[in-house]
Amino acid sequence: DSGVTQTPKHLITATGQRVTLRCSPRSGDLSVYWYQQSLDQGLQFLIHYYNGEERAKGNILERFSAQQFPDLHSELNLSSLELGDSALYFCASSARGRGQGEFFGPGTRLTVL
Amino acid sequence: AQKVTQAQTEISVVEKEDVTLDCVYETRDTTYYLFWYKQPPSGELVFLIRRNSFDEQNEISGRYSWNFQKSTSSFNFTITASQVVDSAVYFCALNAGGTSYGKLTFGQGTILTVHP
Repeated sequence: DSGVTQTPKHLITATGQRVTLRCSPRSGDLSVYWYQQSLDQGLQFLIHYYNGEERAKGNILERFSAQQFPDLHSELNLSSLELGDSALYFCASSARGRGQGEFFGPGTRLTVL
Repeated sequence: AQKVTQAQTEISVVEKEDVTLDCVYETRDTTYYLFWYKQPPSGELVFLIRRNSFDEQNEISGRYSWNFQKSTSSFNFTITASQVVDSAVYFCALNAGGTSYGKLTFGQGTILTVHP
């Protein structure tokens, strides 16, 4: 158990809908990272938050947004969903912004029908 | 830009064989970290090892060993006496500085199948 939690574990929805994925980092970790794993793109970095502020953006679509709340949990919002958004979404956390990568959540599997 | 290449898409071995998974990386940073992860069929990412760029010592952990060579920008992973439970997708990843500070760049993964 990495100490990073993600909910829900599975999510099935329809095209055009909006969903919210939630991540709770390990206790004390200030950084949260979101990654998307899809069949065609592999594992890709989406976005990094540190103590409530956005620090880095990767290949995140404009239809996607994220935020980190004062209690340090983070939410990834995906809107106007398309079939291609079906993927496994991982959250990771770290106490420092660099050199980590040990702690990943179990992932949320999103299926868009 | 950072890049990680795992040239082997799929490897199939018979139990008890040794198997080496290759990983080649590219970065202009002098300080960086390399990782290996295992992703079993259940889907979670299991952290195996982190190595920093200043430590080229090879590491052994049970049946697992890692060979880091900066001269060839490689960080290869060997499983000795493979077992069926080793069947999974294995990812190599790079964490370097600059604008990519903190994020991981993953290779495409190697699917390892160990047959009984």
